[in-house]
Parts: sequence; structure tokens; C-alpha cells
Amino acid sequence: GAVVSQHPSWVICKSGTSVKIECRSLDFQATTMFWYRQFPKQSLMLMATSNEGSKATYEQGVEKDKFLINHASLTLSTLTVTSAHPEDSSFYICSATGQGMDQPQHFGDGTRLSIL
Amino acid sequence: SQQGEEDPQALSIQEGENATMNCSYKTSINNLQWYRQNSGRGLVHLILIRSNEREKHSGRLRVTLDTSKKSSSLLITASRAADTASYFCATALTRYSTLTFGKGIMLLVSP
Repeated sequence: GAVVSQHPSWVICKSGTSVKIECRSLDFQATTMFWYRQFPKQSLMLMATSNEGSKATYEQGVEKDKFLINHASLTLSTLTVTSAHPEDSSFYICSATGQGMDQPQHFGDGTRLSIL
Repeated sequence: SQQGEEDPQALSIQEGENATMNCSYKTSINNLQWYRQNSGRGLVHLILIRSNEREKHSGRLRVTLDTSKKSSSLLITASRAADTASYFCATALTRYSTLTFGKGIMLLVSP
């Protein structure tokens, strides 16, 4: 089956640090990748959608300059949390879909981000 | 507001029993999907059902969709302890649109 690798799985860093999270599709070409944020025992909230080679589409309320998304190839998208603060602490999950209609999303294992 | 709302919020059963989880949504959809999430992990796609389909099976999973009631159910038969996880329904308004996830159901299957 389709595999999505997300790295790192856990990050602890000081306030003000920028953190980069990588999302890779290992065995398929991901034309679209999604970035979600999930708070404990809550649903996934879509942050942005990125298509290879174009700018990401951010959901309302998500700061573009805070959460930088790059989708430079069909197998890699990155999310950079710039100047992270404690309120940015959360579980971030990426997913990817291939070409075609009604494609399910294949998820990475998530990144637990803790800002001290 | 959430497009999908699951119920119950939590379900506790014994191994071997069947688990039924429900999802209701508010607007017309193109398809509805069910995902499973183990604690601290990403989501795993279980099954996709299109708006013109009424029932789909996959192994021990059975999903129904009633577009007139805007609801779906996920049935897991002969549950196992390994089925313990959170289950989410997600709706897609069009073939190419993003997914909107419900709040999820925590299923606990005791040995």
C-alpha cells in the first residue's frame, strides 16, 4: 500500500526556534499533500493544501508566514513552523494523495511538537 | 462547524462483539471515508463510499451510507483487542475537494 513517511516524529525545542517537518511519499507520486493539526482527543484541522510546484492554499485563520509550506517535488513537502511559541505545540500530521478522483489520503505518523 | 459528527463519542466492548459507529453530516457530499487512528499515530484509511453507493464491505468492516438521512455507519464484526483505536469519518463535498473530519469515536475492545 501507499506509504507516507513523516519526520521527525517528536521535536522538543525552545521558544523562538524554527522547526521543519518533512513529509515524503515513498512509493507513489503525491500530486497533493495536506497538513493538519490535531489537539489532544480532538479532530484533525486542515491547515493547508499543497500541490507540487505551486503555492500552498491555506485555510482561514492559518498564518502563511508562520507556517511555511514547500512542495518542491512529487514526493516531498515540508512544513516549517517559524519562530515557534508554546501555543504552537501540537500534533502535526501530513497526508498525501495521488492522481485521480476519489483518492484516499495516506497519512504520515505525525510529528509531536513541544515548544518550551 | 464540523461537517461530520460521530456517535457515540466512546464505545467499550468485549472481544468478539460487534462495534457500530455512526456519522452524520450536514451538506450533500461526493463521498464519505472512514479512518482509524491509533494513539499518537497517523490515520489509516479504511474504506471510501461514494454518494451513489449504499453499502460497502472490506474484511470485517461494513459501511453503509444513507444520503437521505445524511448519515453513515461503520460496523466492525467480531472485534479484536487490536481494533482499539479512534475512528473518524470524513466527508468530501466534491471528487477533488479536501476532507472534513468528524471529532472521532474512541473504541476500546477489551480481551
